[in-house]
Amino acid sequence: DIQMTQSPSSLSASIGDRVTITCRASESVRNYISWYQQKPGKAPKFLIYAASTLQSGVPSRFSGSGSGTDFSLTISSLQPEDFGTYYCQQTYSTSWTFGQGTKVEV
Amino acid sequence: QVQLVQTGPEVKKPGASVKVSCKALGYTFINHGISWVRQAPGQGLEWMGRISPYTGDTSYAQKFQGRVTLTTEISTNTAYMELRSLTSDDTAVFYCGRNLQMGSYYFGMDVWGQGTTVTVSS
Repeated sequence: DIQMTQSPSSLSASIGDRVTITCRASESVRNYISWYQQKPGKAPKFLIYAASTLQSGVPSRFSGSGSGTDFSLTISSLQPEDFGTYYCQQTYSTSWTFGQGTKVEV
Repeated sequence: QVQLVQTGPEVKKPGASVKVSCKALGYTFINHGISWVRQAPGQGLEWMGRISPYTGDTSYAQKFQGRVTLTTEISTNTAYMELRSLTSDDTAVFYCGRNLQMGSYYFGMDVWGQGTTVTVSS
């Protein structure tokens, strides 16, 4: 299976900060990367697909970039509602895999 | 409104099986595959497998191969996940999700069910 490694595992930031989470694949996944936000006790929310395409309804302060093995999710100006855990996922291989998650504390 | 509605919590004994359902509402069921994800308490997301309601084709994570079966019932727009030989390590929330697919390419899961808590305890 393709391994997905996120960094950092957790971070604490202030309102208005620019926050970047990285996701590295153990082999190329082209641009088949999705990003999710999960809040405690809730199902994940779909944010970005194809590495950089914003899902409808997701605020424009979220953006994604990368291709091949290295990807990032950026929140341009952190808001109080952005706390939670963020996961990347590759859907390039037959068996999909998630990163271990990055907990964002505001 | 597009949504996936899952069955309620389950309590099972070790060695038993559990079958969780996921009913699709607000869209054409056969047009989108369904994936299943496990999340143990305090842990991350773990993809288990996916199924195409249209073809019946399945793909399973190696970790669950042989122990999980995904099925669909077109007449009721429902997907099912059955997990056998349960152990305490299977205590988790199980989610279904709708696959975002363009042609033969997959781009994640755009709609999620609310989750079903399965507790395995003697």
